[in-house]
Amino acid sequence: AQSVTQLGSHVSVSEGALVLLRCNYSSSVPPYLFWYVQYPNQGLQLLLKYTTGATLVKGINGFEAEFKKSETSFHLTKPSAHMSDAAEYFCAVSNNDMRFGAGTRLTVKP
Amino acid sequence: NAGVMQNPRHLVRRRGQEARLRCSPMKGHSHVYWYRQLPEEGLKFMVYLQKENIIDESGMPKERFSAEFPKEGPSILRIQQVVRGDSAAYFCASSPVESYEQYFGPGTRLTVT
Repeated sequence: AQSVTQLGSHVSVSEGALVLLRCNYSSSVPPYLFWYVQYPNQGLQLLLKYTTGATLVKGINGFEAEFKKSETSFHLTKPSAHMSDAAEYFCAVSNNDMRFGAGTRLTVKP
Repeated sequence: NAGVMQNPRHLVRRRGQEARLRCSPMKGHSHVYWYRQLPEEGLKFMVYLQKENIIDESGMPKERFSAEFPKEGPSILRIQQVVRGDSAAYFCASSPVESYEQYFGPGTRLTVT
């Protein structure tokens, strides 16, 4: 069975600071990995995904994530936070079906 | 190409009534997934359907909940005899054949009074 753990239900950073949202997964086969963002009262929007190939994946809005098989991690980063990045972020793993982490709420302070 | 459509966006039901949530997948997508999101919680998988078939309903409560995806028309998630604990946001996602990427609708927020 596959699962996802997101470390830290809340992360707060200052505007301009590095954003790091942590995600660890477990999967019996090579996984497909995703990060989604959810703004208040909206659905989920795909930020980026890893399927095969390059382990450093670039997504929208300046986000990127690196697949590290040895660490079973897929942490999401952004070099410089913007106020508009404040949202809920979900990591997900998929083989035949998709499983989501519990989410991390990102707050950006001015 | 319109995205995944869900309606209604907000639904209020009294305890004991039925709730019907509709999801129209993206054009060309034949796989539909339903998720439930409780306040301050992540997404919980409920059911995965293809046209006229339920593929995986391991996340569906055994009673009162049902889902269908007919040959024609939207996918329907039905909740009979709703209770307060059913209050949540229900999201639908769709994907094309043989793709692991899911595209989400805006959700239906169900409030049971």
